[in-house]
Amino acid sequence: ELKVEQNPLFLSMQEGKNYTIYCNYSTTSDRLYWYRQDPGKSLESLFVLLSNGAVKQEGRLMASLDTKARLSTLHITAAVHDLSATYFCAVDKSVGDSGGGADGLTFGKGTHLIIQP
Amino acid sequence: DSGVTQTPKHLITATGQRVTLRCSPRSGDLSVYWYQQSLDQGLQFLIHYYNGEERAKGNILERFSAQQFPDLHSELNLSSLELGDSALYFCASSVGPDRPLHFGNGTRLTVT
Repeated sequence: ELKVEQNPLFLSMQEGKNYTIYCNYSTTSDRLYWYRQDPGKSLESLFVLLSNGAVKQEGRLMASLDTKARLSTLHITAAVHDLSATYFCAVDKSVGDSGGGADGLTFGKGTHLIIQP
Repeated sequence: DSGVTQTPKHLITATGQRVTLRCSPRSGDLSVYWYQQSLDQGLQFLIHYYNGEERAKGNILERFSAQQFPDLHSELNLSSLELGDSALYFCASSVGPDRPLHFGNGTRLTVT
């Protein structure tokens, strides 16, 4: 059974600081997704990582995937208050040309991030 | 706005009852997924339909069923409801493999 672990689960940080959220998963996969959820809202797609070594950046957020280590990171640079949210990683257990998300994603428990002015 | 529409937004019902949740995917998306979000279980994949056919089942209870209609909208039917079924139910759609899921705003179900 695929298990996805995020850490930390709670993070309070100050504006202007850098930090990294880690996502470990238990079985082979080469597809990983990051989502953001604001309180009481839906989930918004941030990044889709589809191969070992993939790196994507959008604004102050950068995500990477190391399939050999079964690890993805979400790095926040010079945090601002608007980035306060819960961040989820989600793993697709498909490998290679099979599936491509058909079997659904396994989500981590989420990292609740608070960025204080 | 993701383009995925879910109705109703809120639903309050009693134990033992049956409810139907509805989802309209984004225009052009053939895949519809249902997820359940609760405090204790987190986000759990329930079921995936692609162009009217069931593709995969996740942690979906036998009391729950879903279908996708020719116009691609989907319904999730929950029956013999229990207190533990109280949760936020999300529908998500996708244009195809390896593409991000676009989530609706969810239906918050409260079973009393």
